[in-house]
Amino acid sequence: DAKTTQPNSMESNEEEPVHLPCNHSTISGTDYIHWYRQLPSQGPEYVIHGLTSNVNNRMASLAIAEDRKSSTLILHRATLRDAAVYYCILRDLGNQGGKLIFGQGTELSVKP
Amino acid sequence: NAGVMQNPRHLVRRRGQEARLRCSPMKGHSHVYWYRQLPEEGLKFMVYLQKENIIDESGMPKERFSAEFPKEGPSILRIQQVVRGDSAAYFCASSPLVGAGGEQYFGPGTRLTVT
Repeated sequence: DAKTTQPNSMESNEEEPVHLPCNHSTISGTDYIHWYRQLPSQGPEYVIHGLTSNVNNRMASLAIAEDRKSSTLILHRATLRDAAVYYCILRDLGNQGGKLIFGQGTELSVKP
Repeated sequence: NAGVMQNPRHLVRRRGQEARLRCSPMKGHSHVYWYRQLPEEGLKFMVYLQKENIIDESGMPKERFSAEFPKEGPSILRIQQVVRGDSAAYFCASSPLVGAGGEQYFGPGTRLTVT
């Protein structure tokens, strides 16, 4: 699976938008971009995924660059509950195993 | 619809004992994955199973670790003769389908402590 690069940590204020970047310059045409997050002392939680077009769901939005070499997870209004480690993961259609390969992720802290 | 269930949530074993971790996937999910998170480290894939089959065990340690997902009942991750280095959080995830588009749903984890 191709590698992703994320900042180690970011800070945000409560009720403000948060943009979490991810670089994946070696992404292949069949790689999906997935985001998961892990709250303290909990299991990871699926957030969103996309292939080429921007995606929105109830949790977040995913903005994918036109060349697909980077993407941004957008939390529209951060809450204290959004403090977590956010993982950007590439998954290949050819990866029949479906396993997730986690990097170090971005630790997001949210200030009241 | 209940989520992925794991038990026990906390498990303490002495060195040399066996540890059995159980995972019940979400209803209708036939794909199960196990991951391990060592203290202060990231999540690492261990094994991927479908009912009665091991599909990918590329992340499993070569010795002492085994996994199964029988036709009936939960998936079991078994660690024989545990050592202190096995102390970690073990997470199970399930998926209704395989492939890059399908999300995985994680359980709360089992925290294993080896004394």
